[in-house]
Amino acid sequence: EAQVTQNPRYLITVTGKKLTVTCSQNMNHEYMSWYRQDPGLGLRQIYYSMNVEVTDKGDVPEGYKVSRKEKRNFPLILESPSPNQTSLYFCASRRSGAGNSPLHFGNGTRLTVT
Amino acid sequence: AQTVTQSQPEMSVQEAETVTLSCTYDTSESDYYLFWYKQPPSRQMILVIRQEAYKQQNATENRFSVNFQKAAKSFSLKISDSQLGDAAMYFCAYRGYSGGGADGLTFGKGTHLIIQP
Repeated sequence: EAQVTQNPRYLITVTGKKLTVTCSQNMNHEYMSWYRQDPGLGLRQIYYSMNVEVTDKGDVPEGYKVSRKEKRNFPLILESPSPNQTSLYFCASRRSGAGNSPLHFGNGTRLTVT
Repeated sequence: AQTVTQSQPEMSVQEAETVTLSCTYDTSESDYYLFWYKQPPSRQMILVIRQEAYKQQNATENRFSVNFQKAAKSFSLKISDSQLGDAAMYFCAYRGYSGGGADGLTFGKGTHLIIQP
């Protein structure tokens, strides 16, 4: 089954404790991205990657890091989480190139930073 | 930067009735794509329908259709014969077409759709 898999689904942590949210897709998509969803704000892009070793900032990149060492994986790293990073996070992927290929989303990670 | 506006934070409709969710956007581009995503309580993001700006014909997917007005920069979603399973948050989204493929989605803030049995 074609899918984007995120782990964990829920995560509670404390301020300053480094964490990684994993994301993997099995559709051979070139493009992957991370979004955060906050009430009343919709979804906002954090980082995206056009392909292996090619990453770039989205609209709200502060406090986050990403890496793309393999095509299928695109982990999100919070080196020193803070309470304002409490949010619902989505990883997504799509084919690159021409056309209106839609984003395929993972099931989300609910992060709480205390 | 592009913006997407959903002016209805919440809508309510009787089961089997028709409801229209509004979306407007601001862009200076001529080529772009528009999407509606549905987010049920399971919080999955599910693609409902998509529209290419260069196509004049409105997209349709079963009970879901759009009214795309390019000059007015409007992209409303019509749900016919509403069902209980349609209850969800609906997000309108815009993606530009720079040719390089780097464009991410810009989302509206969402409309919470309630279906009354």
